[in-house]
Amino acid sequence: EDQVTQSPEALRLQEGESSSLNCSYTVSGLRGLFWYRQDPGKGPEFLFTLYSAGEEKEKERLKATLTKKESFLHITAPKPEDSATYLCAVHPPSGTYKYIFGTGTRLKVLA
Amino acid sequence: GAVVSQHPSWVICKSGTSVKIECRSLDFQATTMFWYRQFPKQSLMLMATSNEGSKATYEQGVEKDKFLINHASLTLSTLTVTSAHPEDSSFYICSARGRGSNEQFFGPGTRLTVL
Repeated sequence: EDQVTQSPEALRLQEGESSSLNCSYTVSGLRGLFWYRQDPGKGPEFLFTLYSAGEEKEKERLKATLTKKESFLHITAPKPEDSATYLCAVHPPSGTYKYIFGTGTRLKVLA
Repeated sequence: GAVVSQHPSWVICKSGTSVKIECRSLDFQATTMFWYRQFPKQSLMLMATSNEGSKATYEQGVEKDKFLINHASLTLSTLTVTSAHPEDSSFYICSARGRGSNEQFFGPGTRLTVL
């Protein structure tokens, strides 16, 4: 069964303390892996799309990487405004455009 | 680019009434729109997928007669919660996918409270 697992469930960092969030998947024939940021009471905000192992994307303090089994979202020198839930989703090789979502990592960055 | 809006952002209604939520893609044509439901501190639960001009495809366990979805144009989809009950209270989020694109872009969500 296709699955997406995110870890850790929650993470508290001090401002400036870099770390990584993990998204592992068991989907074969991936058609895309997506990272989103969600603030409380809002819809997810698109961050990155990754398609193939070895691919990397960067945006400000965030860098997403992809292997054949997992993706990492690296946060370098985070600031309090980076506090949010980060969601990972995969597009399996079915005929539809439905995503399989992970349960998210709740990140809290302390000043 | 890729902006999706939802209206209203929140709504309170009495039990037994119907509520309509609109989802619009503002700067692109959405060939597919998705409706999700999210409970506190949980991930998104897909309710249904709709393609422009076609009937929506509902996920298992979602009552199609209760959650009516209409994708009338390439920029507008609506979700109507019919005969709402307190257990329908939730955060409803739509997303849209453009032609030839894999990415889904999400709306800001609608908080529904049924009294």
